[in-house]
Amino acid sequence: AQSVSQHNHHVILSEAASLELGCNYSYGGTVNLFWYVQYPGQHLQLLLKYFSEDPLVKGIKGFEAEFIKSKFSFNLRKPSVQWSDTAEYFCAVNGGGADGLTFGKGTHLIIQP
Amino acid sequence: EAGVAQSPRYKIIEKRQSVAFWCNPISGHATLYWYQQILGQGPKLLIQFQNNGVVDDSQLPKDRFSAERLKGVDSTLKIQPAKLEDSAVYLCASSLVRGRTDTQYFGPGTRLTVL
Repeated sequence: AQSVSQHNHHVILSEAASLELGCNYSYGGTVNLFWYVQYPGQHLQLLLKYFSEDPLVKGIKGFEAEFIKSKFSFNLRKPSVQWSDTAEYFCAVNGGGADGLTFGKGTHLIIQP
Repeated sequence: EAGVAQSPRYKIIEKRQSVAFWCNPISGHATLYWYQQILGQGPKLLIQFQNNGVVDDSQLPKDRFSAERLKGVDSTLKIQPAKLEDSAVYLCASSLVRGRTDTQYFGPGTRLTVL
């Protein structure tokens, strides 16, 4: 069975700070990895996804993530956060023939102006 | 394009009552998912449809939960009877095709409170 761990449940940063949110998954086979974001009052939406050979994935709004297979990790990064990045961030995985996503518990990110 | 539509947005019921949620996916999307999101956790897959057929319902508590997508478009998720632990947000998602890399688009969800 697949599982996803997000180690930071709550993160508070100041504007312009750099961001890195951790995500580790457990599954031995080929995986696809996703980061979804939920802004206050809005739907879950895709931030970026990994499914190709390039381990560095760029997404919307300046976010990127790096897939490190040896560490089973897919950490989300942004060099300089903005107040509008305040949201809940979810890491997700699928693999092994399953289309449905297995999500982590999420990280609540608060950006202070 | 219109997004995934869900109704109702909120529902409060007492335990042992029945409840149904409705989802209309993005037009043309063949694959439809129902997820359950309990407070403080990430969404958990309940069931996946490809057109009007069930692809994966391994995590659906079939003694009380049922879902259908009769015409391959909109879908209904039912709980009968509800328990306190069913309090959650029920999310519907759709994707254009069936595939692990295809983007899933989520609706606003239905927040269920069981008293």
